[in-house]
Amino acid sequence: SQQGEEDPQALSIQEGENATMNCSYKTSINNLQWYRQNSGRGLVHLILIRSNEREKHSGRLRVTLDTSKKSSSLLITASRAADTASYFCATDAHSNSGYALNFGKGTSLLVTP
Amino acid sequence: SQTIHQWPATLVQPVGSPLSLECTVEGTSNPNLYWYRQAAGRGLQLLFYSVGIGQISSEVPQNLSASRPQDRQFILSSKKLLLSDSGFYLCAWRGDSTYTGELFFGEGSRLTVL
Repeated sequence: SQQGEEDPQALSIQEGENATMNCSYKTSINNLQWYRQNSGRGLVHLILIRSNEREKHSGRLRVTLDTSKKSSSLLITASRAADTASYFCATDAHSNSGYALNFGKGTSLLVTP
Repeated sequence: SQTIHQWPATLVQPVGSPLSLECTVEGTSNPNLYWYRQAAGRGLQLLFYSVGIGQISSEVPQNLSASRPQDRQFILSSKKLLLSDSGFYLCAWRGDSTYTGELFFGEGSRLTVL
């Protein structure tokens, strides 16, 4: 089942602007991860934030996590056309078979020159 | 370094025909393996999960099946495809025993059932 839900579904910005995507989830988590998917390709891991962390940075990426609100945000600063992709949040979830990642439907980001 | 291979990349099959998608991982041992499906404009749906040879867990009941005949080989199969089986199938692995690390994805297999 899908636990993470990204918002907005689609985002269009110009190069140089910042892009902010949000993710909400329903149950308690060990960590939350963000992935990127270029059209027709596999997903690539961007960043992982643990449940006891509130903010994490990696290059132009900034992720925040608010476990009390069960939400996370991904900020891409100074966006580039090459950032055009879909972005997914994923949360771990324990099922009868073990841990697996549940993904949201993603935010489609378009960065225009 | 670890790599993951998935094939075929694209596949067009008639309704009722069989399916076999293969995924192999190199450079690691005893990986946790996953099959996800992504319908057009949708998120990823977890289909199967495996923690070891012969150990398969199904997350969604359907006409698909999975097998893990070798440690680093994961196969997705169907005896008779349905139109609703069309989609983008992604294999992924992760190696940590705590099940909390990142997933590494293959490049995907796009299946069109006509």
